[in-house]
Amino acid sequence: GAVVSQHPSWVICKSGTSVKIECRSLDFQATTMFWYRQFPKQSLMLMATSNEGSKATYEQGVEKDKFLINHASLTLSTLTVTSAHPEDSSFYICSARARLAGNNEQFFGPGTRLTVL
Amino acid sequence: AQSVAQPEDQVNVAEGNPLTVKCTYSVSGNPYLFWYVQYPNRGLQFLLKYITGDNLVKGSYGFEAEFNKSQTSFHLKKPSALVSDSALYFCAVRGRNQGGKLIFGQGTELSVKP
Repeated sequence: GAVVSQHPSWVICKSGTSVKIECRSLDFQATTMFWYRQFPKQSLMLMATSNEGSKATYEQGVEKDKFLINHASLTLSTLTVTSAHPEDSSFYICSARARLAGNNEQFFGPGTRLTVL
Repeated sequence: AQSVAQPEDQVNVAEGNPLTVKCTYSVSGNPYLFWYVQYPNRGLQFLLKYITGDNLVKGSYGFEAEFNKSQTSFHLKKPSALVSDSALYFCAVRGRNQGGKLIFGQGTELSVKP
């Protein structure tokens, strides 16, 4: 089946630093990737939709200058949390939608646990 | 506005008993419906989906779900629960013209006791 990886799986950083999270589709081309944020025992909140070669579309209330998304290729999207603060600590999950016609599934990465001290 | 509701924060079941995790949705048109499971500190694993056709959908690990258009529900079921089924379950809906955007329910924590 389709596999999506995230790197790193967890990261601890100091307040004010920037952190980059990678999301890769390993065995398929993803025209669209999605970034979600999840607080403990809560649902996934969509942050942004990323299409290869174009600017990401951010959900209402998500600061695009703080959460920089780059989708440079059909297999890689990155989320950079700039000037991270403790309130940015969360579980970040990406998903990728396959390029294949008629495929309606999103494949989810394993998530990245970000802790900002 | 599209929405998904999982009315139960937690469901407790004894091992071997049937389980049901409820989901109702509100979306215009005919939706795509999904169930995912999440184990602690892990991403989401796909269980099953309804696109069209037979209202009873069978998925992974013995789970199934029934699409009920009149009640706008898509409840997840399993005839005999296992302790290893204990996890967080999410129902999700996607409109047919929403560019792949999934709307998730708030999640239901399933606890199966031996």
